[in-house]
Amino acid sequence: DPKIIQKPKYLVAVTGSEKILICEQYLGHNAMYWYRQSAKKPLEFMFSYSYQKLMDNQTASSRFQPQSSKKNHLDLQITALKPDDSATYFCASSQEGGRNSGNTLYFGEGSRLIVV
Amino acid sequence: SQLAEENPWALSVHEGESVTVNCSYKTSITALQWYRQKSGEGPAQLILIRSNEREKRNGRLRATLDTSSQSSSLSITATRCEDTAVYFCAKNNYAQGLTFGLGTRVSVFP
Repeated sequence: DPKIIQKPKYLVAVTGSEKILICEQYLGHNAMYWYRQSAKKPLEFMFSYSYQKLMDNQTASSRFQPQSSKKNHLDLQITALKPDDSATYFCASSQEGGRNSGNTLYFGEGSRLIVV
Repeated sequence: SQLAEENPWALSVHEGESVTVNCSYKTSITALQWYRQKSGEGPAQLILIRSNEREKRNGRLRATLDTSSQSSSLSITATRCEDTAVYFCAKNNYAQGLTFGLGTRVSVFP
């Protein structure tokens, strides 16, 4: 059974619209992350949360807003969608965040977003 | 900046052969991780090797770490078709979790 659930798996959106990507983890982890994967680019870190508080934000645009309603939820709201936002968005979690000594990240299967 | 780079970009082998993916990094690390991503899936950790370790094994997988040359390798022996995937090295980056390289696409043919 998947321990990190991402919804939807596939999504086609119109330019200018707003979408929310859902992520729930059932690993009992305290840290959650969003990464983005585009063609020919490495997995790019976007946000990290620890105990529902923002740890780091490397997303230049305020159009991307994480939302953590529960400890095991970290949704990603994207407003004013652009074609360049087309990518696969991965949610991940780790037992603890903010350490530099070997956190293992567990990833969901991703939400593939296409903006037309 | 890209903190971890794998090379080569792609490799093809036949089942049963061995394959090695290399990784170089540019900053000091406390640990290096290897992940595998199969088509349509998220990355999954294969091996975590700490800076005080030189080698780590996990079944058919063997990772090495050379902190003096800031490089690591992942070898897969007796490859199977299901080993076809993109292999990433990644370094811990404090609040960001991990920083990934571009990955090496490994294709295993029957």
